Amino acid sequence: GNSVTQMEGPVTLSEEAFLTINCTYTATGYPSLFWYVQYPGEGLQLLLKATKADDKGSNKGFEATYRKETTSFHLEKGSVQVSDSAVYFCALSKGSARQLTFGSGTQLTVLP
Amino acid sequence: DSGVTQTPKHLITATGQRVTLRCSPRSGDLSVYWYQQSLDQGLQFLIQYYNGEERAKGNILERFSAQQFPDLHSELNLSSLELGDSALYFCASSVGAASRHNEQFFGPGTRLTVL
Repeated sequence: GNSVTQMEGPVTLSEEAFLTINCTYTATGYPSLFWYVQYPGEGLQLLLKATKADDKGSNKGFEATYRKETTSFHLEKGSVQVSDSAVYFCALSKGSARQLTFGSGTQLTVLP
Repeated sequence: DSGVTQTPKHLITATGQRVTLRCSPRSGDLSVYWYQQSLDQGLQFLIQYYNGEERAKGNILERFSAQQFPDLHSELNLSSLELGDSALYFCASSVGAASRHNEQFFGPGTRLTVL
């Protein structure tokens, strides 16, 4: 079946540091890939997405590239801010209903 | 604000009881998805409805059921509750049923505590 493996957390960085959160997936064919962010006490917000190989999703300084050859969709940001502190979920959608399969989530804390 | 609303925000009940969680999708969205977020299982897909019809089932227990009404709001019914059902239940909505470009918009969730 489909699955997503996500870098274990928690991750603690200083403000303006470079961020990478690794994500790999297992699925047949060509799933769509997503990064969602969950701020404390809130629901999930879509951060970025990519729907085919070599697509790059980007939003708010975050980027991720759909790599079919390595089945990966790593999240990166060049300079993190305190306000980026949240839990980040990698997900794929495939199947008849395009339901989301999520990774385990990575807690990011950015210190001033 | 995603435009998806869920009520109630918090629910505390006892084992063996039955509860109903409600979700209103974004205006114009025909699909509703239900997800469960728990400490041990993570985020799991439960069930999807599209325009009133059940479309897909995930890891949904037989004690749980859902429906989508003509006005497109959806309800998730949880019965014979057990301690392990304590979790955050999210509803998400999207315009279509199965497009690879579908974005799902999540509500704020209902936190269920079973004592």
